[in-house]
Amino acid sequence: KNEVEQSPQNLTAQEGEFITINCSYSVGISALHWLQQHPGGGIVSLFMLSSGKKKHGRLIATINIQEKHSSLHITASHPRDSAVYICAVRDQGAQKLVFGQGTRLTINP
Amino acid sequence: EPEVTQTPSHQVTQMGQEVILRCVPISNHLYFYWYRQILGQKVEFLVSFYNNEISEKSEIFDDQFSVERPDGSNFTLKIRSTKLEDSAMYFCASSRDRGKYEQYFGPGTRLTVT
Repeated sequence: KNEVEQSPQNLTAQEGEFITINCSYSVGISALHWLQQHPGGGIVSLFMLSSGKKKHGRLIATINIQEKHSSLHITASHPRDSAVYICAVRDQGAQKLVFGQGTRLTINP
Repeated sequence: EPEVTQTPSHQVTQMGQEVILRCVPISNHLYFYWYRQILGQKVEFLVSFYNNEISEKSEIFDDQFSVERPDGSNFTLKIRSTKLEDSAMYFCASSRDRGKYEQYFGPGTRLTVT
């Protein structure tokens, strides 16, 4: 059974700062997802990756399969980036996602 | 842009009552999921559904739970006799097919059991 750990659990930063959220997992996977959960509860998919790096606007996600580790970076952070960021993994041969506990990000103006 | 929809957004029910949570997945998607999130906890997988049958289910998904795709568009989660601990946000998700496809989540149904 895969265990997904995120750090930090809470992160407060000033607008404009570079943000890094980390995710580690215990067992080899077929894919890793980064998700954003807004205060109202809705979940939005940001990235799905199985190797290397992906970039979308100010967001960058990387994964190191050998290290079983992924990072989500936000450049030039903005108050609207405030949300809970969740890492979730899909085990090899499975379809279901196993979720981390989330990182609550607060960006102050 | 196509999206997953869920109804109702909030359901309040008494312990022991049956509830049905409804989802309309994205129209050309073939794989459907239910997840739940108890307040303050991680999102947890409940069940996946493919080709009109359950593909995977978790330990949480016991005999009190069932899923159905009654027509070509709806995907439902039924809880037969609700317990206080069933209070949670329930998310439906869909993906295009098996394999490395993104899962798209609905806005959730907040279930409160009193």
